[in-house]
Amino acid sequence: QQQVKQSPQSLIVQKGGISIINCAYENTAFDYFPWYQQFPGKGPALLIAIRPDVSEKKEGRFTISFNKSAKQFSLHIMDSQPGDSATYFCAAGEDQAGTALIFGKGTTLSVSS
Amino acid sequence: GAVVSQHPSRVICKSGTSVKIECRSLDFQATTMFWYRQFPKQSLMLMATSNEGSKATYEQGVEKDKFLINHASLTLSTLTVTSAHPEDSSFYICSASTGYYTGELFFGEGSRLTVL
Repeated sequence: QQQVKQSPQSLIVQKGGISIINCAYENTAFDYFPWYQQFPGKGPALLIAIRPDVSEKKEGRFTISFNKSAKQFSLHIMDSQPGDSATYFCAAGEDQAGTALIFGKGTTLSVSS
Repeated sequence: GAVVSQHPSRVICKSGTSVKIECRSLDFQATTMFWYRQFPKQSLMLMATSNEGSKATYEQGVEKDKFLINHASLTLSTLTVTSAHPEDSSFYICSASTGYYTGELFFGEGSRLTVL
């Protein structure tokens, strides 16, 4: 499997702060980059996704920045809240039905109140 | 988002027995479903890709005779862990694609397997 490298492994942010998680991919055929949020004992839930035709996508407090030339993308969580404490996974794949996603190793975010 | 249901959510079995996990797409038809395995505090590792009406495609290193996958209908895929051993204990998660032209995937809630 092509790798998706994610950092940091863990992150502690104060309430109201900005959480930033970074990912890098290798396969230039990838054109779909989602972020998933996972709480303990639950399946991953799609948070936000971006395709390479734009460099940034914002949904509420969550923003994805995408740098195609560097093959990197990042998740920014603005005004981080304790309820955002979870594990976040970036993923990458080809934007067509029937193709699997390759996941990063995950980032455990803790937001202190 | 689309709903993917997994059952059971938790299962405990004795070593040597077989366990079946079901994955259903509740409000859409899923031509393709994927099975992932997740160890504690680790990432999701793709085990196999399941296409309706055909044999599953397994990732390198995944024993197809141990992890039997059946995708008999557009809304149901099953994973059977045969002759389970303690090292098979893990969190198994299925996912399904909703669209014809998009790689967007939705995941089930996962099934926690504990083999004693």
